[in-house]
Amino acid sequence: GQQVQQSPASLVLQEGENAELQCNFSTSLNSMQWFYQRPGGSLVSLFYNPSGTKHSGRLTSTTVIKERRSSLHISSSQTTDSGTYLCALERTSSGQKLVFGQGTILKVYL
Amino acid sequence: DPKIIQKPKYLVAVTGSEKILICEQYLGHNAMYWYRQSAKKPLEFMFSYSYQKLMDNQTASSRFQPQSSKKNHLDLQITALKPDDSATYFCASSQGQTETLYFGSGTRLTVL
Repeated sequence: GQQVQQSPASLVLQEGENAELQCNFSTSLNSMQWFYQRPGGSLVSLFYNPSGTKHSGRLTSTTVIKERRSSLHISSSQTTDSGTYLCALERTSSGQKLVFGQGTILKVYL
Repeated sequence: DPKIIQKPKYLVAVTGSEKILICEQYLGHNAMYWYRQSAKKPLEFMFSYSYQKLMDNQTASSRFQPQSSKKNHLDLQITALKPDDSATYFCASSQGQTETLYFGSGTRLTVL
């Protein structure tokens, strides 16, 4: 079965609303990374978060290993946040052989 | 300025031909990778290299051959191309094997 499940598959927000993206995993974890994929396809690293909570501007990532989940919170969304958000699991001692989820497609409108 | 350069951005090939996808990184990283993203599928790990040595290979086919002529280069040669090889191929790098991964902008390959 799929080792990394992301939800929701897609999300539509009005600008200013908050978003909570979920990533659940079914295997042991060395780290969790979150990426943003632009509509044109390029990928940007958002967080390298093996456990706990990290903040970056309007973004917050929380990884709870015991519960096998990680979340990405976007506050006060903007139209420029539109794109695909991917979580990727690095299994224990697999050396950057990341296993990606299917992604959450976010659309933010005015 | 992009720190990981992939060339070409778009590539069209005929079935049975051979192509080389170029990747150069200017981040000073010692580990490089190839990932593939096919339509409707998640990003999929293909290869990892560390200090120009192959560390992991998850591709089932020997038609995919990475080539590392310099520390900051990791090209991908694909032979006997098939339509199923159509995908966007992403090169990535990291400082160590357990650090943040940085991606290039990808090469979109279409095999007719």
